Amino acid sequence: AQSVSQHNHHVILSEAASLELGCNYSYGGTVNLFWYVQYPGQHLQLLLKYFSGDPLVKGIKGFEAEFIKSKFSFNLRKPSVQWSDTAEYFCAVEGNTPLVFGKGTRLSVIA
Amino acid sequence: DAGVIQSPRHEVTEMGQEVTLRCKPISGHNSLFWYRQTMMRGLELLIYFNNNVPIDDSGMPEDRFSAKMPNASFSTLKIQPSEPRDSAVYFCASSDRGEETQYFGPGTRLLVL
Repeated sequence: AQSVSQHNHHVILSEAASLELGCNYSYGGTVNLFWYVQYPGQHLQLLLKYFSGDPLVKGIKGFEAEFIKSKFSFNLRKPSVQWSDTAEYFCAVEGNTPLVFGKGTRLSVIA
Repeated sequence: DAGVIQSPRHEVTEMGQEVTLRCKPISGHNSLFWYRQTMMRGLELLIYFNNNVPIDDSGMPEDRFSAKMPNASFSTLKIQPSEPRDSAVYFCASSDRGEETQYFGPGTRLLVL
């Protein structure tokens, strides 16, 4: 079965800084990849997903992620973060089993 | 669509009591998932159903946990008897096929005293 690793537990950025959150997975077969966001006190919401095609995927709120198959990575990026991006971000992988989530990365954006 | 609906949103109970969490998936979705979220363990898949049939319950922590899906629009997760270590947020999610995007409910925050 697949596994997911998110290396950053807590990231603190100033507004307008660029963001990159790492996500690596381990699974040798075909995968579907997801990033979910959980705002404080709320449920998980889908940010973006990759099933096939262009490895650079654009999601909501200016987020994008790039699937690099050779590196088993699916890093999340945003060129300029806002205070409202403060949340927890989860990478998830679907291979031969339903979604497996990473531990999450907490993003704190300060003014 | 109202999205995935879960009830109750908050539950406080005493150790040893039975707890029942409820979920109504998005209409038309045929897969339903139960997750538990804790600080220590993150998001864990407990069990999932396809077409009302349990497919994989290997994530269910122990026999105190049970889940049912009597029809396409309703599922329950029951803990009997509950223990303090069961305190967590329990999420239900649904998808229109077993391997497509999952949509999450608001969760039930459970506190067992």
